[in-house]
Amino acid sequence: QVQLVQSGAEVKKPGSSVKVSCKSSGDTFNYGISWVRQAPGQGLEWMGDIIPTFGSPNYAERFRGRVTITADTSTTTVYMELSSLRSQDTAVYFCARERTTQGAHLDYWGQGTLVTVSS
Amino acid sequence: EIVMTQSPATLSVSPGERATLSCRASQSVGSNLAWYQQKPGQAPRLLMYGASTRATGIPARFSGSGSGTEFTLTISSLQAEDFAVYYCQWKDTFGQGTKLEIK
Repeated sequence: QVQLVQSGAEVKKPGSSVKVSCKSSGDTFNYGISWVRQAPGQGLEWMGDIIPTFGSPNYAERFRGRVTITADTSTTTVYMELSSLRSQDTAVYFCARERTTQGAHLDYWGQGTLVTVSS
Repeated sequence: EIVMTQSPATLSVSPGERATLSCRASQSVGSNLAWYQQKPGQAPRLLMYGASTRATGIPARFSGSGSGTEFTLTISSLQAEDFAVYYCQWKDTFGQGTKLEIK
């Protein structure tokens, strides 16, 4: 059974970094893992992804330079680190398993991690 | 850059009635479109992919259609649990969402 379990909520100061983990179980590591965020009351925003067994991440243009996605195959955990945090980065961050059959889609999701950026 | 536009922003429908949600792509995306349902405080849930294939466990009252630039998600007879926000997605781009509310 596929499960994605994320780390707990974080409160960060502006200018700092946050690292969110996504522990996967079941048939996940042969597929891509995406990170999607959702600011309060807003829609979904794709940040980037990685295929853990290959290790090469892809990033959305607007986050390039601030986001780093990595994978630890020994613990089947994917990490998303976002740096130079500002108040606008306050959001719930989700990881999700990617499938590409009949177009890209995200079939299993983590529970979400709330990151609050506040001075 | 392809932009996904959903309409309407809010749709008010009575339980038992049909709901029709639209998603338009600024350029052709073939049939490579997915739909998600999200309830407050929850992660999104995959409903449809390939524009018209229901994801595992999704009831038959949900159907998807379209190709190219115009897509539709139809819920044939709304149940109480269907009132939520719906998003369409192509690759790394999501629509802004349609809130389906009880009339």
